[in-house]
Amino acid sequence: EVQLVESGGGLVQPGRSLRLSCAASGFTFDDHAMHWVRQAPGKGLEWVSGISWNSAGIGYADSVKGRFTISRDNVKNSLFLQMNSLRAEDTALYYCVKDRGYIYGIGGGFEHWGQGTLVSVSS
Amino acid sequence: SSELTQDPAVSVALGQTVRITCQGDSLRNYYANWYQQKPGQAPIFVIYGENNRPSGIPDRFSGSGSENTASLTITGAQAEDEADYYCSSRDSSGNHLMFGGGTKLTVL
Repeated sequence: EVQLVESGGGLVQPGRSLRLSCAASGFTFDDHAMHWVRQAPGKGLEWVSGISWNSAGIGYADSVKGRFTISRDNVKNSLFLQMNSLRAEDTALYYCVKDRGYIYGIGGGFEHWGQGTLVSVSS
Repeated sequence: SSELTQDPAVSVALGQTVRITCQGDSLRNYYANWYQQKPGQAPIFVIYGENNRPSGIPDRFSGSGSENTASLTITGAQAEDEADYYCSSRDSSGNHLMFGGGTKLTVL
C-alpha cells in the first residue's frame, strides 16, 4: 500500500523558513516523480513544485519560485520542501503527491496523495 | 493563457448523468487529469489521459476531450459522488502543472 506521510508544518512568522518532509513507502520511490501541492483554507488546489525521479528535472509555480526548493533522497525514500521568506499567502495544507510517471512535467497525473501538513504563516 | 476554467458548481439528480467541464488553451495539446475531493479528505485520482481510470475507480466515471475542453462524465451519479472535482494539466509552456478552480458537485 502506498503511504505518503508529511511532516514539518506549523506556525511560523512572515519572513521565516520551514522545511517540509515526506516519508514514502509501499512503492519504488525512484521510479516516480514527486510533487508538492497545496490548498489554502477553503480554496482550491495549487501545484507548488515537482521533481523528476533522478532530480534532473525540477519545476516551481511562479508564486514560490526563488523562495522554495524541492529535493529528494532516493536512498531514504524521502521528499523535501525548503520554504524560505514565507508569506501569509503561503498558509495552506501542503500535500506530498506521487506522480504516475517518472518525469515531473509530463502531466501523467497525481496518483497518490498524503494527508497533508498544515503551514500557517502569521505574526 | 495558462489557466484551466471550471464551473464553480453543478448539480445532478440521483442516478442521472452529469458532465463536468474544464477549459483551457493548453488542453488543445495536453490531456487533463481529474481528481475528486470530499470534505476533510485528500484528493483522489479518478481519470487520466484520454480516458483511463486508476484501479478502484468505478466505471461510471469517464473522461473525454475536444479542442480546448476536457470533460469528466459521471453516468448514474450516486450520493457518494458528491464532492469537489478538479482538473489538472500542463500549462501552455509545458513547464508547469496547474489545476482548475474546482467544481462542487451536488447530488440531489
